[in-house]
Order: sequence, then C-alpha cells, then structure tokens
Amino acid sequence: DTAVSQTPKYLVTQMGNDKSIKCEQNLGHDTMYWYKQDSKKFLKIMFSYNNKELIINETVPNRFSPKSPDKAHLNLHINSLELGDSAVYFCASEGVTGELFFGEGSRLTVL
Amino acid sequence: KQEVTQIPAALSVPEGENLVLNCSFTDSAIYNLQWFRQDPGKGLTSLLLIQSSQREQTSGRLNASLDKSSGRSTLYIAASQPGDSATYLCAVAVASGTYKYIFGTGTRLKVLA
Repeated sequence: DTAVSQTPKYLVTQMGNDKSIKCEQNLGHDTMYWYKQDSKKFLKIMFSYNNKELIINETVPNRFSPKSPDKAHLNLHINSLELGDSAVYFCASEGVTGELFFGEGSRLTVL
Repeated sequence: KQEVTQIPAALSVPEGENLVLNCSFTDSAIYNLQWFRQDPGKGLTSLLLIQSSQREQTSGRLNASLDKSSGRSTLYIAASQPGDSATYLCAVAVASGTYKYIFGTGTRLKVLA
C-alpha cells in the first residue's frame, strides 16, 4: 500500500497546454509539499501546505496553482506550459518528527 | 540564505569498501538534517533523520553524524554493496524564516562488483 502516490507518472504535452498532477498520502500527515527536480537533479521546493492551508509559495509563477481539497490530497495544476517546465515533480508529506516521505515523481516533458 | 553542498558529486568504489559522503551547510540554525537515497527514475527514500540536538544516528550499515557548529554532516556506509549504488542527498530543515527543507546537490555513488 503506497504511502505517497502521484499520478500520472509520465506526461508528454505541447507548449501552451494545461496539465494536472495529483498526489495522495495515506499516512495521516498534516503537511504536504511539491518539489521540482531539474535535469541536473537539483531538488527545489515549490509549495507547502499544512492541513489544506498554503504555507510556502516559493516564488513559483502563478501559472502553477496547487489545490488541497483535504489534508490527504495535494494537486498541482499548470497552465500555459512552457519548455522550461519540463522536469520531474515530486510530492512529499512530512511526519511529526520531520521525516519526509516522497512519491515516485511525475516526469513532465513539454514539447 | 541557507546553502547545502555535497562533496564529492560522484564516487565509484569497489564492493566491500567503507565510504564517507559529505554534506555541508552554511547556516547552523537548523531543526534537523536528513539523508535520502534516490534510485534512477524513483522518488527519494529517507535513510536517517538527525534532530538538531543529536550528534548521530545509525541504521544497519549506515551511520550519519551531525556537527552543527561546523555546518557539516557525514554519511558513513560500511562494507558497501552494489545495491548501495544510487544518488544520496542530504537536506536541512531551516530554522530561520519559514520552515522548509533545503536540499543538497547530491552524490552519485556507484559500487562495483
């Protein structure tokens, strides 16, 4: 039973399209994150939510809109996709000790 | 601004060797430090979490140490195996400003059979 699951695992799309990535955690954690990993494998925080409330928006363009319908879900919608958005997007949740649990990632390719 | 650096960027060792991966951070105001493993095409798996009040944590063949005053952590892997081949990342939870994790650049480890 996967603790943090993301869908889809792969997205290939054209510039200008809109796409969404979904994330669910069954660990009962209050805090969830979206991270972006670029081609050099550098991992950078994008957003964090605590119990459905936005805590961090790390100067991400407003084409990216996270939504948390409940504390177990954190989705990411991206409008007007650009070439530079190509990356692997990771969802994570955080336990009370600070331990992070990551999903398998969603590889986005914008053509 | 917290910066996290990992040296070396890549490492190749023969099976059975003991090895040390390094992580350094610029701001000692941290809540904790975590070491992760990432296999190709996969997510990150937490290996060890060291709270700021702790000096080290151990799990099996892995031992991580933390020296906040010098801004350093090491991950020691004993008797390395080919299955240890992966990218290892460290991350610090910053205590200055908004709480968040800052990740290092990673060390790509290859253990040769």
